[in-house]
Amino acid sequence: IQMTQSPSLLSASVGDRVTLSCKAGQNINNYLAWYQQKLGEAPKLLIYNANSLQTGIPSRFSGSGSGTDFTLTISSLQPEDVATYFCQQYNSWTTFGSGTKLEIK
Amino acid sequence: EVQLVESGGGLVQPGASLKLSCVASGFTFSDYWMSWVRQTPGKTMEWIGDIKYDGSYTNYAPSLKNRFTISRDNAKSTLYLQMSNVRSEDTATYYCNRYNYVMDAWGQGASVTVSS
Repeated sequence: IQMTQSPSLLSASVGDRVTLSCKAGQNINNYLAWYQQKLGEAPKLLIYNANSLQTGIPSRFSGSGSGTDFTLTISSLQPEDVATYFCQQYNSWTTFGSGTKLEIK
Repeated sequence: EVQLVESGGGLVQPGASLKLSCVASGFTFSDYWMSWVRQTPGKTMEWIGDIKYDGSYTNYAPSLKNRFTISRDNAKSTLYLQMSNVRSEDTATYYCNRYNYVMDAWGQGASVTVSS
C-alpha cells in the first residue's frame, strides 16, 4: 500500500499549530502510526492506531483520520520538534511514507 | 530502560554475506515479536520482516524474502539479520525494533555499505 505524505518540507514558527498529512493508496482502517526522527537518531513512535498517543509523548501531538486520510497535528510547535515525521500503515504488511521534514521558520 | 544495540555493519562487497546482531535489554525479550527496518541514504524506510517471540514464525517483505533471514536467540536476548548476496541497493542503515505492528522501541542503527 503506497503512503503519500505532504508537504515534503514544512517551515513554521514556534507556537504555530502545524498539520502534516498522510494519505494511503487504499483503505487502511485506523492502522496508521506516526514516528518522529531527529537528525542522527532512530525514529520514535508518537501515535498508533491513528489517534492513540504513545506513552511519554507530549500532549501537543495528536493524530486523526481514518480510511485513507490521516493527519498529525502539533498544537504549539516547539524548537525540539524539528525533525522528519514518517507515517506507517500496518493494515496490509507494512509500508512507510516518504516523510515530512519540519523546520523552524 | 529499553535498549536495543545493533552491531555487525560495515563495508561489504557485492555478492557477499553479512550478519547483523541486535542485543536487547530492559525488557523480557522472549515476550516480544521483533522486526528489522532499513533506511536508505535517501531516507526511504523499508520494513524487512519480523519474527515471533519464540522464533517459530517469520514474515518477510516479498522483495527480500529470498536473501534475508531473521532469527533470534532468546537465551542471549539477541536478534539477528542474515543478509546474503548483497547488492548496492542494500546500502542502508538497519534498525532492529520491538514490534507489535508498530515499532515502539528502536536501536541506534547499523550502517551497511555495499560497494566494491
